[in-house]
Amino acid sequence: GAVVSQHPSWVICKSGTSVKIECRSLDFQATTMFWYRQFPKQSLMLMATSNEGSKATYEQGVEKDKFLINHASLTLSTLTVTSAHPEDSSFYICSARDPLGPGTQYFGPGTRLTVL
Amino acid sequence: AQSVSQHNHHVILSEAASLELGCNYSYGGTVNLFWYVQYPGQHLQLLLKYFSGDPLVKGIKGFEAEFIKSKFSFNLRKPSVQWSDTAEYFCAVNYGGSQGNLIFGKGTKLSVKP
Repeated sequence: GAVVSQHPSWVICKSGTSVKIECRSLDFQATTMFWYRQFPKQSLMLMATSNEGSKATYEQGVEKDKFLINHASLTLSTLTVTSAHPEDSSFYICSARDPLGPGTQYFGPGTRLTVL
Repeated sequence: AQSVSQHNHHVILSEAASLELGCNYSYGGTVNLFWYVQYPGQHLQLLLKYFSGDPLVKGIKGFEAEFIKSKFSFNLRKPSVQWSDTAEYFCAVNYGGSQGNLIFGKGTKLSVKP
């Protein structure tokens, strides 16, 4: 099956710093990728839809200036958490849309962000 | 608003017991339906999906799900669970075809006692 990777898998940073998370589709081209946030014991919350070569579409309530998304190639999307604060600590998961299957998404392993 | 409901937060079963996890979604026209599984410490994996055709869908690891349009339901079943099925199960719905996003249910944690 299609593989999506994320890097890093775990990051700890100081409050006020920025953190970049990479999401890669390893064996297929993904024109559309998604970024989710998962709180403990809760479901995935869609943050934004990342489209290759264009601006990301953010869900209501998600600060686009804080969560910068770049989808510069068909296999890479990045999420940068700027000026991170402890409340940004969470599990961030990316997915890539299957170009051949309507609605199907393949998920990365997630990135655990801890802001001190 | 479009929504997906999973009725059970935590299900505890003994090995060999039968499993049924409920999933209901709000009306939104044509939908594509999915069940994902997240094993402890691992990422989300696709169990099965329904797009059209036979409403009884068979997935990996012996799982199946039945789409009942009149009930807006897509329940997940397995006749005999194993300890290795211990995981969190998420129902997801794609509204709007290939351009739509996935709306996830809150998930059901399944614990299987050996």
